[in-house]
Amino acid sequence: DTAVSQTPKYLVTQMGNDKSIKCEQNLGHDTMYWYKQDSKKFLKIMFSYNNKELIINETVPNRFSPKSPDKAHLNLHINSLELGDSAVYFCASSQVTSGGLSEQFFGPGTRLTVL
Amino acid sequence: GESVGLHLPTLSVQEGDNSIINCAYSNSASDYFIWYKQESGKGPQFIIDIRSNMDKRQGQRVTVLLNKTVKHLSLQIAATQPGDSAVYFCAENSGGSNYKLTFGKGTLLTVNP
Repeated sequence: DTAVSQTPKYLVTQMGNDKSIKCEQNLGHDTMYWYKQDSKKFLKIMFSYNNKELIINETVPNRFSPKSPDKAHLNLHINSLELGDSAVYFCASSQVTSGGLSEQFFGPGTRLTVL
Repeated sequence: GESVGLHLPTLSVQEGDNSIINCAYSNSASDYFIWYKQESGKGPQFIIDIRSNMDKRQGQRVTVLLNKTVKHLSLQIAATQPGDSAVYFCAENSGGSNYKLTFGKGTLLTVNP
């Protein structure tokens, strides 16, 4: 009955490799997000999709490419991984209402370590 | 750019005491604020939210206060328990069609038994 799930939970890989992280939400939300949390716990948005359409694309290297096959899924593909990509990546979802933005539900995170 | 920040990076309290975590925001257009709790190894968990048309909102053992005059947000936790130990984040949204939440730096709350 997990609301927002991510796979894998841990990802250890070599520099230069390409990897993907998957996210699924079963809340029926129309908006999904990817965040990066660094070693100092600073949480910064990377991307947001609303009804499969990209609406937020922060200053993120183009090695990062999100893909939303449907409203319930938002995957993150990273090409040519670098040491600085090591972080915890969180997926989140929310439902935007006529009243405005509402709370975002976060997944458990994927800890990416680039060696 | 405008950002959300916290006054205290760490806060240590005794079990049973009340805790107050503060947050300053700089975007006067922000109209929605959320407090999140993040336990070690987990994702942020929603605690309470408040919209800019309110100055106070209460939940179970938690109260959020919003002072738009000085652009200040606080989270009060009553009768703090060891299970409240976590990093607490405030986040703001500047409204309109902006779907973006800007998070503050986080405050580590430690509850001593």
